[in-house]
Amino acid sequence: AQKITQTQPGMFVQEKEAVTLDCTYDTSDPSYGLFWYKQPSSGEMIFLIYQGSYDQQNATEGRYSLNFQKARKSANLVISASQLGDSAMYFCATRGFQGAQKLVFGQGTRLTINP
Amino acid sequence: DTEVTQTPKHLVMGMTNKKSLKCEQHMGHRAMYWYKQKAKKPPELMFVYSYEKLSINESVPSRFSPECPNSSLLNLHLHALQPEDSALYLCASSHASSPPQHFGDGTRLSIL
Repeated sequence: AQKITQTQPGMFVQEKEAVTLDCTYDTSDPSYGLFWYKQPSSGEMIFLIYQGSYDQQNATEGRYSLNFQKARKSANLVISASQLGDSAMYFCATRGFQGAQKLVFGQGTRLTINP
Repeated sequence: DTEVTQTPKHLVMGMTNKKSLKCEQHMGHRAMYWYKQKAKKPPELMFVYSYEKLSINESVPSRFSPECPNSSLLNLHLHALQPEDSALYLCASSHASSPPQHFGDGTRLSIL
């Protein structure tokens, strides 16, 4: 079984600052993936970044980076130089690579970027 | 614009109506998914199709009936829904055994 915990229901950040969204996970799968998705108020789920459990380096995609600490079971999302358009709900998710192709999501963090 | 297209974007229906949600992707993905998302909650998996065969049904009531006519199309047939079924319905697709899942914009469903 897998579980994702996002402990920050809401965050408020000034524009251009960096922001870290916390995510811890629990899984019994020996290999797994960790994902971050962004969901604006319009509803679409936008894939941001992926980290495989055996990847040696932390994933980066433009302004997004994933701070993967396997021993701590954490997969925090770092957004550099935040922009007003980053205001949205952010979900951390995990999927094991054995058995069902099921994404398990955390409860989400609502990020608000202030001008 | 997403590469997974869902229609309609909004749907209002009565409890006795029959309607269908449609999802289409042309990325060559062989796994397709339906999720249900209530307000301020994360998406919850409903169904998974892998190579056009139903591989996961998360104990979804029979008033929701999925169909995968071909590798690009996924439908969700709705019949005799309840008000608590009002939600955002998201479709996603992925390569069969590798991440990530790419989502459509969703259909906002309201049951009167």
